[in-house]
Amino acid sequence: DGGITQSPKYLFRKEGQNVTLSCEQNLNHDAMYWYRQDPGQGLRLIYYSQIVNDFQKGDIAEGYSVSREKKESFPLTVTSAQKNPTAFYLCASSPGGGITRETQYFGPGTRLLVL
Amino acid sequence: AQKITQTQPGMFVQEKEAVTLDCTYDTSDQSYGLFWYKQPSSGEMIFLIYQGSYDEQNATEGRYSLNFQKARKSANLVISASQLGDSAMYFCAMREREYGNKLVFGAGTILRVKS
Repeated sequence: DGGITQSPKYLFRKEGQNVTLSCEQNLNHDAMYWYRQDPGQGLRLIYYSQIVNDFQKGDIAEGYSVSREKKESFPLTVTSAQKNPTAFYLCASSPGGGITRETQYFGPGTRLLVL
Repeated sequence: AQKITQTQPGMFVQEKEAVTLDCTYDTSDQSYGLFWYKQPSSGEMIFLIYQGSYDEQNATEGRYSLNFQKARKSANLVISASQLGDSAMYFCAMREREYGNKLVFGAGTILRVKS
């Protein structure tokens, strides 16, 4: 089945540690996104990529980094510079092209907790 | 200023009744799209319905319809014949042509369906 997978489902981070969240899609979508969701709040955009080897900062990029070496993969690294990383992280993808009708489809999410 | 406002933190509805979830938005762009997503307790974001700013008809998808009032900048989601499985968080989101693929989300409304 076509879809978006995220791993792990739960991730624990120690102080000063970098951790990487995985996002893979087999929908042949050009565009991919990372969002952060805090309890009781909406989603905020961290980074997005419209094509392989290119990505742009979203609204809350500080303390995060990404890479887009393959069309199907868009990993997110939460660095030690992110002082409050506890949140639910959602990855999404869309066909690309930037038309307003274009729908983003989401993965199941990764819950990151700080030890 | 908030681009997407969902004024109802929580709503209750009796099973089989209809319910309206409110969403107002703020944009100066003439070309934009409005989306509704459902987030069950599992966390995954499920796309429900889309309305384009130039669409003349209100969008409908099964039991979901969108009450789009462009002059008032509102895009309320109507769920008919509520089911217990409709209990979830519901998010309104907007994409503006000026900002490409970026989606801006509201804070969400929790819906509880009572039997």
